[in-house]
Amino acid sequence: GIQVEQSPPDLILQEGANSTLRCNFSDSVNNLQWFHQNPWGQLINLFYIPSGTKQNGRLSATTVATERYSLLYISSSQTTDSGVYFCAVGLYSSASKIIFGSGTRLSIRP
Amino acid sequence: DTAVSQTPKYLVTQMGNDKSIKCEQNLGHDTMYWYKQDSKKFLKIMFSYNNKELIINETVPNRFSPKSPDKAHLNLHINSLELGDSAVYFCASSRSGSTDTQYFGPGTRLTVL
Repeated sequence: GIQVEQSPPDLILQEGANSTLRCNFSDSVNNLQWFHQNPWGQLINLFYIPSGTKQNGRLSATTVATERYSLLYISSSQTTDSGVYFCAVGLYSSASKIIFGSGTRLSIRP
Repeated sequence: DTAVSQTPKYLVTQMGNDKSIKCEQNLGHDTMYWYKQDSKKFLKIMFSYNNKELIINETVPNRFSPKSPDKAHLNLHINSLELGDSAVYFCASSRSGSTDTQYFGPGTRLTVL
């Protein structure tokens, strides 16, 4: 089956720093989503980005589907950015199935 | 107004018991899901329903039985609970299948003693 790998697994930064999180996938996908799981466990959808680039405030994401990767950029980090970031991909072979990566745990120190 | 809601938020029970988790979405979506998140934060799909019909059943033990009385509700019933069932269970919905944004409920933390 498809492999979805995220790097780095853990990242510790000072407030105000910038970061780049990466998601690699081993097969063609029909969509890709980025989620943030906050320290209270809530999963929030950040981007639906099967290809191209999107921006939302301090966050932006780029997916290069032909090269099977996606990047999530966080600029001017704030302590509220802490949590686990997941990418998830949808499969052409299954209309309702998405596969999650193992996540990047981000800790922003004040 | 909560988009995807789950009840209860916490569930503590003894091995061998039967329990249910309820999920409701008010987004008008056609597709609903159950996911399990283990202690290492790994998220795995369990079931997917589209317009009340089962679309995905990911080799989940048959002690787990989802039920969708209408397209706004997807409940999860678990028989004969085992220690390994302890996890956080998330309900989610999307407009139509995996090609749309998924919205997650707050999760139900199940602890089996």
